[in-house]
Amino acid sequence: KAGVTQTPRYLIKTRGQQVTLSCSPISGHRSVSWYQQTPGQGLQFLFEYFSETQRNKGNFPGRFSGRQFSNSRSEMNVSTLELGDSALYLCASSDGLGLSTDTQYFGPGTRLTVL
Amino acid sequence: KNEVEQSPQNLTAQEGEFITINCSYSVGISALHWLQQHPGGGIVSLFMLSSGKKKHGRLIATINIQEKHSSLHITASHPRDSAVYICAVDTGANSKLTFGKGITLSVRP
Repeated sequence: KAGVTQTPRYLIKTRGQQVTLSCSPISGHRSVSWYQQTPGQGLQFLFEYFSETQRNKGNFPGRFSGRQFSNSRSEMNVSTLELGDSALYLCASSDGLGLSTDTQYFGPGTRLTVL
Repeated sequence: KNEVEQSPQNLTAQEGEFITINCSYSVGISALHWLQQHPGGGIVSLFMLSSGKKKHGRLIATINIQEKHSSLHITASHPRDSAVYICAVDTGANSKLTFGKGITLSVRP
């Protein structure tokens, strides 16, 4: 099976713009989680979707949003970008019920730079 | 204080050495994950533990729920083991996983 794919791999935006990142999970996986990784804060959980429903959300402002489609592909959107949003954004998919006790398979990430 | 603490922060070893990486947490958990991240960003899930010990190849992971502590051991280390090792816990709260800062391991030939 193909692994988790994320597009684009690299992105440069300016402050105030908005951005949409895409994640295609492993075929058959219904749970998709998103994470932000920065040098200062490390990895932080953004949100998790299962069968098109957001089940969990981390402590991020409302500028960060996401959705999941019927084919399990997921997108996350960040509006009104700030310099501090520069980070590696990772998505991960898992099979079964998508519990945190399930193995997560990570994509390569999208590196977002905000100028 | 972070909920998940990892030690040491950086670690350098010679090829062939036995390596131990530690993770301590301060909250109740239902599961603990060990992740490996290579330069370039790719993350691989190594283990998920809720109790006891797991082994995969040269890697062994243990967890002591009472002491809120987990260790990842690497036997016969190799330069390809050089990576960042991240511990993550499921606290059952709204945030699905809480991560440690990671430990950068460098194995010299």
